[in-house]
Amino acid sequence: SQQGEEDPQALSIQEGENATMNCSYKTSINNLQWYRQNSGRGLVHLILIRSNEREKHSGRLRVTLDTSKKSSSLLITASRAADTASYFCATVGGSQGNLIFGKGTKLSVKP
Amino acid sequence: SQTIHQWPATLVQPVGSPLSLECTVEGTSNPNLYWYRQAAGRGLQLLFYSVGIGQISSEVPQNLSASRPQDRQFILSSKKLLLSDSGFYLCAWSVGLAAINEQFFGPGTRLTVL
Repeated sequence: SQQGEEDPQALSIQEGENATMNCSYKTSINNLQWYRQNSGRGLVHLILIRSNEREKHSGRLRVTLDTSKKSSSLLITASRAADTASYFCATVGGSQGNLIFGKGTKLSVKP
Repeated sequence: SQTIHQWPATLVQPVGSPLSLECTVEGTSNPNLYWYRQAAGRGLQLLFYSVGIGQISSEVPQNLSASRPQDRQFILSSKKLLLSDSGFYLCAWSVGLAAINEQFFGPGTRLTVL
């Protein structure tokens, strides 16, 4: 069953601009994770934010979590062409409490 | 350090042929292991997961099966491939539950069924 859904589906920006991606989910969570996938490659874990946290930073990444709205956002500041990738949020779902991934936001950063 | 390997990287198979994809993990013990499929432009669909040798759970009914003959080896198989089995297959591992810990993904196998 679909748990997290990212918005927008695709985002195109210029290098140096900020990129914001959103994720909405349906049920209560313990944590929410963001992953990145370069084209044709495996996923790489970016950041995990727990349900009792509201904001978390990692380098140029900033993740927020609003459990009352069941939503999260990923902000990439001062984007670079190398940030071009698909970004997925993942939360707990399914019959055994495994991670369920959204369909992702495809980010394109133009130099 | 831990590493995860998948092979082959790409595979083209005719409909009705068998399939065997292999995933191995190094540098950790008793990992939880996962097989995902990603259709073009879509998110990841969890196919199987395993919490130990010989223990396989399936998330969705399908034409595929999985086995874990060794602690750090996870195999995805099919006796007869269907066109709908085409996709990008990703293996992943985690320490304990992926729901509370991050997952580490392999490089993936691109399967095309013709």
